[in-house]
Amino acid sequence: KNQVEQSPQSLIILEGKNCTLQCNYTVSPFSNLRWYKQDTGRGPVSLTIMTFSENTKSNGRYTATLDADTKQSSLHITASQLSDSASYICVVRGDTDKLIFGTGTRLQVFP
Amino acid sequence: AAGVIQSPRHLIKEKRETATLKCYPIPRHDTVYWYQQGPGQDPQFLISFYEKMQSDKGSIPDRFSAQQFSDYHSELNMSSLELGDSALYFCASSWDRGLGNTIYFGEGSWLTVV
Repeated sequence: KNQVEQSPQSLIILEGKNCTLQCNYTVSPFSNLRWYKQDTGRGPVSLTIMTFSENTKSNGRYTATLDADTKQSSLHITASQLSDSASYICVVRGDTDKLIFGTGTRLQVFP
Repeated sequence: AAGVIQSPRHLIKEKRETATLKCYPIPRHDTVYWYQQGPGQDPQFLISFYEKMQSDKGSIPDRFSAQQFSDYHSELNMSSLELGDSALYFCASSWDRGLGNTIYFGEGSWLTVV
């Protein structure tokens, strides 16, 4: 069982709409949680990084939340743009250098 | 701003050959990570280096070796290549083992083994 599960697996929205992506993890011990955006065949691009004590962090139209008690995180995208079409990956770091990647959510934004 | 530079971007090798991938981290970053991403799969952690010493080791085959040099660039050497080694290899870098810091990924090196 993957230690980082994301939902939905895929999502289609219209340009200008908001959406929220979910991430549940079981990684323990927990160091931090990151959200990355990855275009097909390209390197992941960091959106946010949150540690145990942080509940919310924003980066432009991206807002991430973290509930370390329930081991859940969400990524909210506001006023979506066509360029937001990509895979969004929740990545959790434990007590080693290894990043544990989630299953990803494939987002498609249509005009 | 400078990013993580990987070379070559594309590489085609035959089975049992050897390949070397290079990674140049963002200036002043002291930590380098290597990941392997097969088609439709999540990136798998291979190995990491901090201050030129191996920091952590993941699912790196014995046929692979890597090192970080004095200028902090890193090389991943892959020998006796197998068809299953065909994948996108990412290098990433960060400051101070990425503890609380952003880890930046390169664009990846596509390895195709035929």
